[in-house]
Amino acid sequence: GQQLNQSPQSMFIQEGEDVSMNCTSSSIFNTWLWYKQDPGEGPVLLIALYKAGELTSNGRLTAQFGITRKDSFLNISASIPSDVGIYFCAGQALGFQGGSEKLVFGKGMKLTVNP
Amino acid sequence: NAGVTQTPKFQVLKTGQSMTLQCAQDMNHEYMSWYRQDPGMGLRLIHYSVGAGITDQGEVPNGYNVSRSTTEDFPLRLLSAAPSQTSVYFCASSYPGTGGIDGYTFGSGTRLTVV
Repeated sequence: GQQLNQSPQSMFIQEGEDVSMNCTSSSIFNTWLWYKQDPGEGPVLLIALYKAGELTSNGRLTAQFGITRKDSFLNISASIPSDVGIYFCAGQALGFQGGSEKLVFGKGMKLTVNP
Repeated sequence: NAGVTQTPKFQVLKTGQSMTLQCAQDMNHEYMSWYRQDPGMGLRLIHYSVGAGITDQGEVPNGYNVSRSTTEDFPLRLLSAAPSQTSVYFCASSYPGTGGIDGYTFGSGTRLTVV
């Protein structure tokens, strides 16, 4: 099946630093999503991207849908301790009959922020 | 609006016991799914349903059964628990279709330990 390569797998940063992570795929997606999972909770949607080249911000978060439709990145600026968690990318392709396929998830990036 | 509700939050089973993990959503979502999350493995799809009366297997279905008699509920049954099924289980839903406009809404998870 389709797989997403998410990197890096983990990061340890100091409070105030910026952090970047990305996802790549061998397949084309028509939607890219970024989720955050707080410790002990389920993933929560951060940003959704629907068009190739789209650049979207949500507060200190910025995400882009790659031009090739095979990649996406997420940046977090000026990190704070509550940014700690696991960040997942997810992609969705168009189905054979025009409907949407199931989301495909990356394996996650564990972020640790040292105060 | 409760979203996706999973019960129980924690469970310890003995090898060979059976149990049902409950998932309910009040958003009239057509699509529901079950994932397991293990360290370093990301989210792996167990079973999914595109509507009442319709279920299908995901990536790791062995040892699990599902049914979808109503739009709201999607229980996951462990037939004979094994230590390899120790994991965190997440239920997710979306509308319309398999991804929806805003991706999946996740429950807060069930942490299962099989001893």
